[in-house]
Amino acid sequence: DTGVSQDPRHKITKRGQNVTFRCDPISEHNRLYWYRQTLGQGPEFLTYFQNEAQLEKSRLLSDRFSAERPKGSFSTLEIQRTEQGDSAMYLCASSSQGRNQPQHFGDGTRLSIL
Amino acid sequence: AQSVAQPEDQVNVAEGNPLTVKCTYSVSGNPYLFWYVQYPNRGLQFLLKYITGDNLVKGSYGFEAEFNKSQTSFHLKKPSALVSDSALYFCAVRETGGSYIPTFGRGTSLIVHP
Repeated sequence: DTGVSQDPRHKITKRGQNVTFRCDPISEHNRLYWYRQTLGQGPEFLTYFQNEAQLEKSRLLSDRFSAERPKGSFSTLEIQRTEQGDSAMYLCASSSQGRNQPQHFGDGTRLSIL
Repeated sequence: AQSVAQPEDQVNVAEGNPLTVKCTYSVSGNPYLFWYVQYPNRGLQFLLKYITGDNLVKGSYGFEAEFNKSQTSFHLKKPSALVSDSALYFCAVRETGGSYIPTFGRGTSLIVHP
């Protein structure tokens, strides 16, 4: 169990640029989640995959956000035309089958928009 | 619909004293309940969970939590606090027959004074 890894850990970009983050989940886990966290708040759900299928997306998720998990292993989250309000910590988590299973989180990618 | 409330933004306790971090929940059916801890610039780490059975759940680092169905609460406790326990604590709930997406509380900052 090597844990969930996220890359990069920090990203600084100018407003209007596109950014892409990568998440490598625990290898045995078929469920993968993306969250956004801002200061003083809990994780806010963005989207969720079971294997390669994207099963749920938050209604709050702008169409500038897109996520993929092409082979049911790693996942990418892309934000197009970044805005100041996109500055946040982006967390990835994975879990095994079952609603009673806990999520295992990566250390996140901190995005700063200049 | 499922929801979680953590009524205290911050809890202060002296090292060696017992600590309690409060959580109440709301679900239509039965809950799965989780506690996570987050250290600065890190992801969330799983501490413990309640599925069914014994109302007192023991977890990592000496933490435990008590499930109370009548009060819809799942308070986190530790008999003797350590300075190193200072961190953000998040409670989360999933309904047993509902979505795979848990709902997180806003978090409670625990500060343990030497």
